[in-house]
Amino acid sequence: GESVGLHLPTLSVQEGDNSIINCAYSNSASDYFIWYKQESGKGPQFIIDIRSNMDKRQGQRVTVLLNKTVKHLSLQIAATQPGDSAVYFCAEIAAGGTSYGKLTFGQGTILTVHP
Amino acid sequence: IAGITQAPTSQILAAGRRMTLRCTQDMRHNAMYWYRQDLGLGLRLIHYSNTAGTTGKGEVPDGYSVSRANTDDFPLTLASAVPSQTSVYFCASSDSSQGNTEAFFGQGTRLTVV
Repeated sequence: GESVGLHLPTLSVQEGDNSIINCAYSNSASDYFIWYKQESGKGPQFIIDIRSNMDKRQGQRVTVLLNKTVKHLSLQIAATQPGDSAVYFCAEIAAGGTSYGKLTFGQGTILTVHP
Repeated sequence: IAGITQAPTSQILAAGRRMTLRCTQDMRHNAMYWYRQDLGLGLRLIHYSNTAGTTGKGEVPDGYSVSRANTDDFPLTLASAVPSQTSVYFCASSDSSQGNTEAFFGQGTRLTVV
């Protein structure tokens, strides 16, 4: 059935500020955690991933932090730009076991960047 | 390079009718996925396939079936559509056999069941 009345959390920032988007995950057996960006009317696009045995990974203007103790994932975007405005989703995937290859998405966050 | 293609782009379907959403990729990816995204919500996994000939159930598989006869195609069938299946459907593929986590998504199919 359909979910009822859920709304995605929102984050509004000024251009040039740093943004931090958070996500709580549920499956401790996941091997990789991933961030995706979805612009209006489009499918999600891969941003960055992190393996479960790491706690930090940096990309271009983005950093992902993983805290397995509290099952928390965050995406930091440096010097946020208007083009970063989108919905951001965390995702997880298992590299083995009975759920091998099962890519599931977590909650999304709407990021709005004001000029 | 086409990447991953979904068809149709949009469809209005009468309740009770059968419908197959098509998905084709030309990247020779081993893994393929189907998601539904309801207005204002996240993506929920319907079914997935790690290799040709194998499929697995996702979070919301009821009312949907898939097949993976070959590497390139992963059709999603609604045997008897109901209004609650009104949604945007996304197909995706990834080269997960090489440890890649990046999934490539199609442009989506907007389905309205009336």
